[in-house]
Amino acid sequence: RKEVEQDPGPFNVPEGATVAFNCTYSNSASQSFFWYRQDCRKEPKLLMSVYSSGNEDGRFTAQLNRASQYISLLIRDSKLSDSATYLCVVTRPYNNNDMRFGAGTRLTVKP
Amino acid sequence: EAQVTQNPRYLITVTGKKLTVTCSQNMNHEYMSWYRQDPGLGLRQIYYSMNVEVTDKGDVPEGYKVSRKEKRNFPLILESPSPNQTSLYFCASSLYGTGPDQPQHFGDGTRLSIL
Repeated sequence: RKEVEQDPGPFNVPEGATVAFNCTYSNSASQSFFWYRQDCRKEPKLLMSVYSSGNEDGRFTAQLNRASQYISLLIRDSKLSDSATYLCVVTRPYNNNDMRFGAGTRLTVKP
Repeated sequence: EAQVTQNPRYLITVTGKKLTVTCSQNMNHEYMSWYRQDPGLGLRQIYYSMNVEVTDKGDVPEGYKVSRKEKRNFPLILESPSPNQTSLYFCASSLYGTGPDQPQHFGDGTRLSIL
């Protein structure tokens, strides 16, 4: 079983839609959690960290569920520019500098 | 401009011919890291470094070496490349590590093909 698992998609949604992705992680003692965004043929960029209490940044909301070992990303009012691959990232237990990436969920927002 | 610079961007080479991919950052970051990205597997961490002369293995270190003699540079060395090391490689850096609100700044990537 992979340490970090994501549904690869693709998710094809119309502009303005709300879309949510989940990511599961295998080690219950994982420490830090992130969502990164990667555009086609480009480098990953941090979208947001995920905090235990959940956090919001504009149209994006991230949640952490430690009991069920998953994190989620909700995108409201999708824009064409949201089309990208979203990478879930988890740091290993007892070593916050060892990062494990999911394979990514691909989102396409259509007009 | 703050950036992470990798060279080369593209390289096609043959099995067994030693190669080095350079990575340099101009942000005075302490933490640097190398990843490889393969279809269906996502990014996998190869090595990381917390500071000068401090390096640690990531998820897939076999077949790779790194060094951190200066803060700004973190080269990735393939002593005897093999075809299974054909991949897209990213270097990244951050100020102190990977905690919350410590974004990893990635280079543009190096596409290696080992024939």
